Amino acid sequence: AQSVTQLDSQVPVFEEAPVELRCNYSSSVSVYLFWYVQYPNQGLQLLLKYLSGSTLVKGINGFEAEFNKSQTSFHLRKPSVHISDTAEYFCAVRSKNSGYSTLTFGKGTMLLVSP
Amino acid sequence: DTGVSQDPRHKITKRGQNVTFRCDPISEHNRLYWYRQTLGQGPEFLTYFQNEAQLEKSRLLSDRFSAERPKGSFSTLEIQRTEQGDSAMYLCASSLVIWAGGNQPTNTGELFFGEGSRLTVL
Repeated sequence: AQSVTQLDSQVPVFEEAPVELRCNYSSSVSVYLFWYVQYPNQGLQLLLKYLSGSTLVKGINGFEAEFNKSQTSFHLRKPSVHISDTAEYFCAVRSKNSGYSTLTFGKGTMLLVSP
Repeated sequence: DTGVSQDPRHKITKRGQNVTFRCDPISEHNRLYWYRQTLGQGPEFLTYFQNEAQLEKSRLLSDRFSAERPKGSFSTLEIQRTEQGDSAMYLCASSLVIWAGGNQPTNTGELFFGEGSRLTVL
């Protein structure tokens, strides 16, 4: 079984400032890692994913994340945020084994960007 | 490709009534998933289908919940005798998982989500 911990429920930040949203996971098997974004009253949109290879992955809208196996972390970063980045962000894991049965999500981090 | 679509987007019902949600996946996708999301929580897995076969059900899926995917295309999620605790966003996702003869997929089977169906039970 896997679990995901998003350490911050809410992150307020000013426009054009950098931001980091933290994610730690627990799993007894190798996993794939994902970040999704959810805008109000909408479904989830994939931001980026780590499958294998380079531990730094780049996604849409200028976001990137770094996989750290020793710390079991997959933190999301953006060097300069915009008002339009205000949304809820979810970290998720999926076992590489068992034929991909389920995706396990964290509780989410609300990113609040103010002018 | 119109993506994953869900209907209705919003449903308000009285406690004790039955409700049904429909999900139309991306046309070539063989996997279909249902998740539930309550306020302040991440999506929680309910069940998934491989074509028309329901392969896994979460313990969150009580006897009042039933999901079907009769022809391996669209799916329905029915909730009988709704309770106030059923109020949530119900999310559907689909994916294409490719098998090359072994017991492990050969692709990553990325999930694509619909916009969800929000249920309010009064």
